Amino acid sequence: SYVLTQPPSVSVAPGKTARITCGGNNIGSKSVHWYQQKPGQAPVLVIYYDSDRPSGIPERFSGSNSGNTATLTISRVEAGDEADYYCQVWDSSSDHSSYVFGTGTKVTVL
Amino acid sequence: QVTLKESGPVLVKPTETLTLTCTVSGFSLSNARMGVSWIRQPPGKALEWLAHIFSNDEKSYSTSLKSRLTISKDTSKSQVVLTMTNMDPVDTATYYCARIIYGDLYFDYWGQGTLVTVSS
Repeated sequence: SYVLTQPPSVSVAPGKTARITCGGNNIGSKSVHWYQQKPGQAPVLVIYYDSDRPSGIPERFSGSNSGNTATLTISRVEAGDEADYYCQVWDSSSDHSSYVFGTGTKVTVL
Repeated sequence: QVTLKESGPVLVKPTETLTLTCTVSGFSLSNARMGVSWIRQPPGKALEWLAHIFSNDEKSYSTSLKSRLTISKDTSKSQVVLTMTNMDPVDTATYYCARIIYGDLYFDYWGQGTLVTVSS
């Protein structure tokens, strides 16, 4: 089955840039989606199709995807960005297609 | 306004069958390309996709849990139902339903989730 690997944690100072990676075999050939999950809340879609933002998501959130790594970038980080972030793909490479989530990254704002 | 809301038991015993209901509003389960997925999250762990169903009644299940899962919908009630048999303590998790649009492959709206604990 397809595996998506994320760093367990990322720490960033307010106003700085946070980069969260999502590693997978040839992930650049897939569409990657990102979710933000604050404590006790449901996930919220923040990036879809690698780099598109849903309405209401700040421009500070951006995404890229190439090779074996997709990246979610949060610019000018704010305290309210502190959350867990998950990447997700649709994997149709095996006999059975499936939605796959990454291992998750906890972003801490210092 | 699109909303989804999960309902079901908060506690089930090992070996019992879990039945969860997702009630949706703001869109119709009969509209072309509309679908609902179930996703779960054990405490402190990552998200895990379980199953989906689309308006054309196309269904798909997680390979690892396929033998235990059944997903169905009642369009007239705007509800999607997930059953999971032979529950085990490792199935303790928050269960979410989420909307998915056929061909888009991501979850654009989520329910608040419901915590299910498996314990005797």
